[in-house]
Amino acid sequence: GENVEQHPSTLSVQEGDSAVIKCTYSDSASNYFPWYKQELGKRPQLIIDIRSNVGEKKDQRIAVTLNKTAKHFSLHITETQPEDSAVYFCAASTRQAGTALIFGKGTTLSVSS
Amino acid sequence: GAVVSQHPSRVICKSGTSVKIECRSLDFQATTMFWYRQFPKQSLMLMATSNEGSKATYEQGVEKDKFLINHASLTLSTLTVTSAHPEDSSFYICSAIKQGKVTEAFFGQGTRLTVV
Repeated sequence: GENVEQHPSTLSVQEGDSAVIKCTYSDSASNYFPWYKQELGKRPQLIIDIRSNVGEKKDQRIAVTLNKTAKHFSLHITETQPEDSAVYFCAASTRQAGTALIFGKGTTLSVSS
Repeated sequence: GAVVSQHPSRVICKSGTSVKIECRSLDFQATTMFWYRQFPKQSLMLMATSNEGSKATYEQGVEKDKFLINHASLTLSTLTVTSAHPEDSSFYICSAIKQGKVTEAFFGQGTRLTVV
C-alpha cells in the first residue's frame, strides 16, 4: 500500500520567512496530493492540493510542487505569519472512489514574531 | 463546501463500556467513508474504510470485532468502540468523499474519546 514520508517533523521560522515541507510517496499509482492544516483538537483543513497532471499550483502565499518521477511533493509558504503556526500534513491517494487518503506524519510549524 | 458532521465531539466512558460515534454527510451522499484515529502529536492513521451496504474494510492491526463499523445509509456511518480500554483513548475522525467535478475529502469535527 501507499506510504507517505514527511519532513521535517518540526520547523521554526521567523515571521516573514519562507517555510518548506517535503513529502515522498511510494505508490506510483497515486495521483492526488492534498495538504492539510490542523489546529489542536480540530479537524484537518484542506489548504491546497495538486493532481498528477500538474507540476505546480499556487494560491496566494501557498504553493505546492510535484515531481512525479521522483515521487515527491512539497509545500511552500511564503511571508509566514504567526497564524500559520499549526501542524501540516501531506497526503496521497489514487483519488478513485473508495480510496483513502494516506497521511504523512505531520510537521509542526512555529512562526515567531 | 460539503459538510460532514460527527458526534459526539467529546465522550468520557468507563473502561469496559461501548461508545458509538456517528458520522453524517449533511448535504451529499457518500458511498464510502473513512475512519481515522489520531493519538496526541501523531498523524491520522487510517483504521477502516466504510462502504454503504457492505462490510467495512479494516487496516492491518485494527481489530474488526473491537471497532464495529456500520454504514447503513448513504449519509451515515457509525463507529462503535466496544469494551473500551484506556489505551483506546484517542481522537477519532471520519472522512467522506464527495464525488463530482472535483473530488475532495471532507472531515468530521472529530471525537475525543477518553476511557477512564
